[in-house]
Amino acid sequence: IAGITQAPTSQILAAGRRMTLRCTQDMRHNAMYWYRQDLGLGLRLIHYSNTAGTTGKGEVPDGYSVSRANTDDFPLTLASAVPSQTSVYFCASSVDSSGANVLTFGAGSRLTVL
Amino acid sequence: GQNIDQPTEMTATEGAIVQINCTYQTSGFNGLFWYQQHAGEAPTFLSYNVLDGLEEKGRFSSFLSRSKGYSYLLLKELQMKDSASYLCAVGDSNYQLIWGAGTKLIIKP
Repeated sequence: IAGITQAPTSQILAAGRRMTLRCTQDMRHNAMYWYRQDLGLGLRLIHYSNTAGTTGKGEVPDGYSVSRANTDDFPLTLASAVPSQTSVYFCASSVDSSGANVLTFGAGSRLTVL
Repeated sequence: GQNIDQPTEMTATEGAIVQINCTYQTSGFNGLFWYQQHAGEAPTFLSYNVLDGLEEKGRFSSFLSRSKGYSYLLLKELQMKDSASYLCAVGDSNYQLIWGAGTKLIIKP
């Protein structure tokens, strides 16, 4: 692979269930991000990681958690899914977290919570 | 608060020129980005401006005026494959990107 791989591509989930969206990159980028994209709204940052071992909260972190055990992987977990978390989720990475940090995006994970 | 404004939708004709505007109000400024997003796909990087002026890259150009909080993306010689959403994003004082809702560009033959 070259770039970012997200899984699953799509998922329908019952409310209250736990769900982990997986994200793996092979570009050795230091920074990684999780965004959600909803119709009529801009991409909103959920959580980010500037380097392996560190994470930070974005604009809409409630109900989500992340971990960054190594450079390549950045999973996003919904501990107890709610219908308002129905969205398209994009994982992204950049060489670092400052300056002209051009983002490379994964293909997205479409999540529907019923 | 922080805000990025761009038109929701624009229509243009194949072979023509179109300008997509973006205005912003953010806490700090660390560059302005334009991304292209085809329906059902991931955003892909188009351009980056950090200084005032015009950056040209093939059929696409991007302009920035920091004093006016304004940018535009200019697409020339439009092709059907240019039908997509165009996202404007600004790096704030923490280098986090603030995103506009995107402009859906429809190209007609």
